[in-house]
Amino acid sequence: GAVVSQHPSRVICKSGTSVKIECRSLDFQATTMFWYRQFPKQSLMLMATSNEGSKATYEQGVEKDKFLINHASLTLSTLTVTSAHPEDSSFYICSAPGAGGNGAQETQYFGPGTRLLVL
Amino acid sequence: DAKTTQPTSMDCAEGRAANLPCNHSTISGNEYVYWYRQIHSQGPQYIIHGLKNNETNEMASLIITEDRKSSTLILPHATLRDTAVYYCIVRVSNSGYALNFGKGTSLLVTP
Repeated sequence: GAVVSQHPSRVICKSGTSVKIECRSLDFQATTMFWYRQFPKQSLMLMATSNEGSKATYEQGVEKDKFLINHASLTLSTLTVTSAHPEDSSFYICSAPGAGGNGAQETQYFGPGTRLLVL
Repeated sequence: DAKTTQPTSMDCAEGRAANLPCNHSTISGNEYVYWYRQIHSQGPQYIIHGLKNNETNEMASLIITEDRKSSTLILPHATLRDTAVYYCIVRVSNSGYALNFGKGTSLLVTP
């Protein structure tokens, strides 16, 4: 099946620094990718929709100037957490819609997640 | 997306069938039932989906009631690696939209 990768898998940074997380679709193209955030013992919450060649759309309450999203190619979306603070510590997950037959277009493929710890 | 209701947690003995229920009484005619699972500290994984007919793949079976107001995900022979949170999601078949995750069912498979 389709594979989505994320890098890095874990990152620890100091408060006030910026962190970039990459999301790649490895064997298919994705004009749209989604970024989710998951706090401990909670479900995934959609943060934003990343659109190739255009601006991302953000969910209510998500600061677009703090969580910068760039979708520069059909296989890569990046999420940059700017001026990170301890409350930004979370598990960040990206996903991309499937492409192809056998109902694959109806599924979402998720990356393995990136665990961010801001000290 | 139609609202879904799942039990918070379930236990299952290894080797036995795990039957995970989901209620979706407000489902509309063009909405599918999707199941995903999330193993601890990993990204969610697609399991199966269906519209009105029962479905089976290498991972699981999906049984949808005739009125489509509820469904059951069946893992026929649960293993310890099936311990995860299972999410039942109802939505139209359009992968251009993100998934709306509820709280899901935390399944614990015990030896």
